[in-house]
Amino acid sequence: GESVGLHLPTLSVQEGDNSIINCAYSNSASDYFIWYKQESGKGPQFIIDIRSNMDKRQGQRVTVLLNKTVKHLSLQIAATQPGDSAVYFCAAGGGGNKLTFGTGTQLKVEL
Amino acid sequence: DTEVTQTPKHLVMGMTNKKSLKCEQHMGHRAMYWYKQKAKKPPELMFVYSYEKLSINESVPSRFSPECPNSSLLNLHLHALQPEDSALYLCASSPKGGRVTEAFFGQGTRLTVV
Repeated sequence: GESVGLHLPTLSVQEGDNSIINCAYSNSASDYFIWYKQESGKGPQFIIDIRSNMDKRQGQRVTVLLNKTVKHLSLQIAATQPGDSAVYFCAAGGGGNKLTFGTGTQLKVEL
Repeated sequence: DTEVTQTPKHLVMGMTNKKSLKCEQHMGHRAMYWYKQKAKKPPELMFVYSYEKLSINESVPSRFSPECPNSSLLNLHLHALQPEDSALYLCASSPKGGRVTEAFFGQGTRLTVV
């Protein structure tokens, strides 16, 4: 089955710095990936997605990189702000509607 | 509009009660999901409906019974739950049935079983 994991459970960064959150997946059949942000007491919020036919996708202050060779993706947040403090999950999908979540990284932004 | 609405926001129920969680979306999405999330853990998939038909059941105990009355509504019927079923229950929807694409979540129902 799919296994989606994250390298670091907690990441602390200074306000204004760039943040990089990593995620590894095991199922080479996964062809679609989403990054979510979840604040305390709320549901996961869609940030950005990427399909396996792409290596990079950019949004507003965020960039997702996908390395299919090593089954790894990352979320880069530019100029991290206090409002970025949350838990970040990657999720992987393949055929069908199954979307499997990774273990999550707590991002803490220090002033 | 990417809104998925879940009601109620909070629910406390006894182990002999029957209750239902409701989820609604008006984005025309054809896939809808139930997830369960325990504290400090990732969401775990329970059920997926694709074109109003149950397409995935992740071996969920029968005390959880999903229902999809139409393409906009998803219910989760609860009966004879255990205290360990206390969790945040999340509903999500995505545009296409049969293939996951952008999936948007509601704010969840915080369930406490006493």
